[in-house]
Amino acid sequence: DAKTTQPPSMDCAEGRAANLPCNHSTISGNEYVYWYRQIHSQGPQYIIHGLKNNETNEMASLIITEDRKSSTLILPHATLRDTAVYYCIVSTTSGTYKYIFGTGTRLKVLA
Amino acid sequence: DSGVTQTPKHLITATGQRVTLRCSPRSGDLSVYWYQQSLDQGLQFLIQYYNGEERAKGNILERFSAQQFPDLHSELNLSSLELGDSALYFCASSVGSVGETQYFGPGTRLLVL
Repeated sequence: DAKTTQPPSMDCAEGRAANLPCNHSTISGNEYVYWYRQIHSQGPQYIIHGLKNNETNEMASLIITEDRKSSTLILPHATLRDTAVYYCIVSTTSGTYKYIFGTGTRLKVLA
Repeated sequence: DSGVTQTPKHLITATGQRVTLRCSPRSGDLSVYWYQQSLDQGLQFLIQYYNGEERAKGNILERFSAQQFPDLHSELNLSSLELGDSALYFCASSVGSVGETQYFGPGTRLLVL
């Protein structure tokens, strides 16, 4: 039972920002939001995670709404190499591990 | 390169057979996770080991089993293979036991004929 909802696919022009939304309306207080991506059939790659504050690293920015019910992953200047399936996951930090990947968003960056 | 290694990269076998997939976690990581990804499907969590002990179980079939050895490498055993077991099998590792960033290996592609 996926705890997140993502659009199945999105297109983005090369060089533009890619904004990938994720809904996690049932998130609880101790759950982090994680983003991973999978390029073709390679192993998923960690991108970024956050609890309630916005986060930025060298790959992307993560914007989490104040009520924490949704978030947006931002790739500031998308390149063709960013074409991948992006997974948004909520992960508890206590109790039993629950990492439900769902089907993600297939992002296609267009030249 | 995530630092997680998996062998073999590809495996072709017949129905009814048994295979073993191997995973070496990143140096210092105590948890190993196994996932199955069938064609055009999402990742299905199978099982997690932490420091040699089973920590969490997902949708793992009874025909499948896993273990983590004292040196922290892990093996996933798949037996009585069926055509539907054809999939990519990924291993991931993390430092702790729950809710942490996972680093994935390149996967083993299993084809059951």
